[in-house]
This record gives sequence, structure tokens and C-alpha cells, in this order.
Amino acid sequence: DTEVTQTPKHLVMGMTNKKSLKCEQHMGHRAMYWYKQKAKKPPELMFVYSYEKLSINESVPSRFSPECPNSSLLNLHLHALQPEDSALYLCASSQVSGVSNEQFFGPGTRLTVL
Amino acid sequence: DAKTTQPPSMDCAEGRAANLPCNHSTISGNEYVYWYRQIHSQGPQYIIHGLKNNETNEMASLIITEDRKSSTLILPHATLRDTAVYYCIVRVGSVYNQGGKLIFGQGTELSVKP
Repeated sequence: DTEVTQTPKHLVMGMTNKKSLKCEQHMGHRAMYWYKQKAKKPPELMFVYSYEKLSINESVPSRFSPECPNSSLLNLHLHALQPEDSALYLCASSQVSGVSNEQFFGPGTRLTVL
Repeated sequence: DAKTTQPPSMDCAEGRAANLPCNHSTISGNEYVYWYRQIHSQGPQYIIHGLKNNETNEMASLIITEDRKSSTLILPHATLRDTAVYYCIVRVGSVYNQGGKLIFGQGTELSVKP
């Protein structure tokens, strides 16, 4: 299984809502990533987890809260978002060992904040 | 900031080779060059990567100049399904120290035409 799954595919939320994005992989990867992609722009890294611990936070606002409950799951909790946070949110995973490991991406969750 | 420079768009005739250039003049000695592509509204897909030698797989070939300041991705026989945005990426660090960050540039939008 070389697939990264993300749910939901689409999400519409108000600025006062709390919602969560979910990412799952069963490739045995111990590194997982969240990226944000605005329309017509390249993906931008948000967070990296290595062995279920947060290793990189790219100065992401606290209204985005990542969680890695186990080695297969990665969540992104959303609270008090702004309309400018509307974007495609991509999850990826990779092996930890080595320096040339490819990242496998999921299809993304398209988020609209009203 | 992104460390790669690519032309914003290119056209290619179906069945012909597509040659996508990338400049990465500030690349460090231990940084890999990765290529990903993203078909509209899907997650990025890994294509190939290399350090200093030319590489080939079932999807493409990667030619890296001897000084490593530029590279070319070659799709030998482009099809309509190869229409996508192609990203040339320099891999910063490893998962152990920097989480295997992928810094996406603006990419090249390749249009394969019949």
C-alpha cells in the first residue's frame, strides 16, 4: 500500500468553528508532513513530525494545531481560522532514515473558510 | 526562499521529448535535486531525484550538470497525461536534523498538445 489518504476531501467552515483534518498512511513511514497550498502557488511546508514528535514548525499561527497520535495518523486541528486560510492542505509521509527519501503525498483537503 | 529557478511554462508536442530545465546555483554539496509533478487539484507526485550522477527510471531521466548548478528533467515521450506543473526542488537536510524539508519553487506548467 503506497497510498496516503486524507479526509475530508472538502471542508467548509466558519471563522468560529473547530474542525480537524485527518491523514493516514500504512507504509510504515515515521515522518509525516503538513503542507499548505494556495491557488496557483507551490506547496508550503507547515509542520514535520518525526517518530511522532514535532520536529519542525514553520512559524505557523497557533490556530493550526497538529497532532500525531500514532505512527500512521496525522491530524491538523483548526480553530478560529480566517478567510485567507482557505487553501488546499496536503499531507505527506516518508521514511526517516537516509537523506534521499521521497515524500508520498495525499490528494489534499480543500478548505474554505467563510 | 525557494532555491530553484524554472521557466513558468512550456509546451510540448505529444510523443516528443519534454526537456524541463532548472537552475539551482546555490546548491550545497550534500543536497539532492528532486522533481515532483502536480496534476491539477491532486497531490504532488514524486518523479525522480539525484545527487550528481544522471539518473533514469520508468518515468523520466534526470541530467545534472557537472558543477551541479543546473539540471534537466527529460520525459522521453510526452503524453497528454503528462500535462502538469513540474517542480524542481532542492532537498534541505535530512529527517534527523531538519525534517527533510522540501522547498518548492514556482514550477513549470507543462502543456502537452496533440
